[in-house]
Amino acid sequence: DQQVKQNSPSLSVQEGRISILNCDYTNSMFDYFLWYKKYPAEGPTFLISISSIKDKNEDGRFTVFLNKSAKHLSLHIVPSQPGDSAVYFCAASVGGAQKLVFGQGTRLTINP
Amino acid sequence: GAGVSQTPSNKVTEKGKYVELRCDPISGHTALYWYRQSLGQGPEFLIYFQGTGAADDSGLPNDRFFAVRPEGSVSTLKIQRTERGDSAVYLCASSRSFAGELFFGEGSRLTVL
Repeated sequence: DQQVKQNSPSLSVQEGRISILNCDYTNSMFDYFLWYKKYPAEGPTFLISISSIKDKNEDGRFTVFLNKSAKHLSLHIVPSQPGDSAVYFCAASVGGAQKLVFGQGTRLTINP
Repeated sequence: GAGVSQTPSNKVTEKGKYVELRCDPISGHTALYWYRQSLGQGPEFLIYFQGTGAADDSGLPNDRFFAVRPEGSVSTLKIQRTERGDSAVYLCASSRSFAGELFFGEGSRLTVL
């Protein structure tokens, strides 16, 4: 039973445009959501998070939106840069960050 | 280095053998986590330590899997009687506190032939 789903295995975006990565979840108990970025042969690195009491969190070029009624979150990257090419995982937890449930990942490719 | 260190980076073993994977967390981080990432999937939670004790081991798939952290720093994930389905990248992460940001290591890729 996949509680966190990323339905797009891959996404290709032109440099300078907006990248939008999507994530859906089924467990209404989740109250903390995160995005991780992973380069090949490296561990995932934390990108941005959002608590369920908010609907938007912004950090530089990265913004995460949370729609609790739809059980949906998205990550917006603008403008996209070649260094953003990586696999992006969304993750969710109940009551904190320690036991994360990850989605399958979306491979983002930024084309020059 | 200052990051989470995992050894070995690659391990190839035969079905039925015993394997140990080691994790050296960031100095001063009290919380340590093990995740497993199978091909094409996201990381899957295995076990979480706060200090020396396993605070949550609900993700361990069966009793062939065991993890220890005897001195509250280095942790070892132990897999007995390995099976082909155990093949995956085993990721370790640490955090400064219970709810702090997780810092992941590069992982140990286990291949069971």
